[in-house]
Amino acid sequence: AQSVTQLGSHVSVSEGALVLLRCNYSSSVPPYLFWYVQYPNQGLQLLLKYTTGATLVKGINGFEAEFKKSETSFHLTKPSAHMSDAAEYFCAVSTTGRRALTFGSGTRLQVQP
Amino acid sequence: SQTIHQWPATLVQPVGSPLSLECTVEGTSNPNLYWYRQAAGRGLQLLFYSVGIGQISSEVPQNLSASRPQDRQFILSSKKLLLSDSGFYLCAWSAQGRPGELFFGEGSRLTVL
Repeated sequence: AQSVTQLGSHVSVSEGALVLLRCNYSSSVPPYLFWYVQYPNQGLQLLLKYTTGATLVKGINGFEAEFKKSETSFHLTKPSAHMSDAAEYFCAVSTTGRRALTFGSGTRLQVQP
Repeated sequence: SQTIHQWPATLVQPVGSPLSLECTVEGTSNPNLYWYRQAAGRGLQLLFYSVGIGQISSEVPQNLSASRPQDRQFILSSKKLLLSDSGFYLCAWSAQGRPGELFFGEGSRLTVL
């Protein structure tokens, strides 16, 4: 079985500050890990993914995440927050034997001017 | 390029009435198709996924059913809606061999009164 835990349902940062959204996973086999972003009343959009290879992955809009197997984590970061980053972010896990994703409960990011 | 269309965007239905949400994908063939439900503060719950015409896997027992009458068409149905069926329903697709990389529709917001 696989699961995802996102620490903090709401995160608030100031514009220009570091963004850190936390994600821990549980999987009995090597995982594929994803971050998705959802703007209000819209579907989800893929930000970045880790499958194999380099553990630091870069995505769209300046976001990146690092896969740390020893910590079972895949935290999302961005050096400098922008007002347009305000949205809900979902971490998700999948494995080679499972076609569907298991999502975390989401973290709503607020960016203060 | 590939696109995914989902309709209707919003729906208000009385308890006990039927439901039909439709999703179509363009620009790709033999996609994996998914229905997720999003309840406030609870992340995304996988309802159904399909790897081919007529092939439906159900993740949770519930009042809903899914069908895939054509390669790129996925329908979510109910014969009698319950209050607990209210939520935001998301259709998604992924390419064969690329597990977890989902592309989402814009969602359908269902309110059951």
